[in-house]
Amino acid sequence: AQSVTQLGSHVSVSEGALVLLRCNYSSSVPPYLFWYVQYPNQGLQLLLKYTSAATLVKGINGFEAEFKKSETSFHLTKPSAHMSDAAEYFCAVSGGTGRRALTFGSGTRLQVQP
Amino acid sequence: GAGVSQSPRYKVAKRGQDVALRCDPISGHVSLFWYQQALGQGPEFLTYFQNEAQLDKSGLPSDRFFAERPEGSVSTLKIQRTQQEDSAVYLCASSLVWQGHNNEQFFGPGTRLTVL
Repeated sequence: AQSVTQLGSHVSVSEGALVLLRCNYSSSVPPYLFWYVQYPNQGLQLLLKYTSAATLVKGINGFEAEFKKSETSFHLTKPSAHMSDAAEYFCAVSGGTGRRALTFGSGTRLQVQP
Repeated sequence: GAGVSQSPRYKVAKRGQDVALRCDPISGHVSLFWYQQALGQGPEFLTYFQNEAQLDKSGLPSDRFFAERPEGSVSTLKIQRTQQEDSAVYLCASSLVWQGHNNEQFFGPGTRLTVL
């Protein structure tokens, strides 16, 4: 079975500050890991994905995430927050024989203060 | 269209009514997924199609939930005798054929179902 834990349901940062959103996963097979962003009343948009090619993954809008197998983590970071980054962020895992669906964490709402 | 579309965007149903939610995936996408997102939660898997074949329906919460994709493109999620606990956003996603490095799922905007 696979699972995802996102620590912190709400994170608040100042504009220009570092963004760090935490994600830990559990998987019995080498995982594929994803970060999605959801703006109000919109569907999920892919930010980045880890597929074993490189442990440091760069995504859209200046976000990146590092896969750390020893820590079973895939934390999302951005050096400098922008007001437009305010949204809900979801970490997800997939993989394993026959398991094509994504298993999502419960999400982290990012607030950016001016 | 360029993306996944869903209709209706909002649906209000009285308890006991049947509802049908439609998903139009990206043209050419073979795989189609339905997820249920309760308020304040992450999406949870309901069912998965590859073309017209429903390969996984392990996430459907009860036999009141039924999904179909008869021609391998448009899909409909039907909920019979709706209950208040069915209130949620229902998300549809599509992707190319399952490949290890290409399993990006593209999501529609969702249908917000409210059962009174």
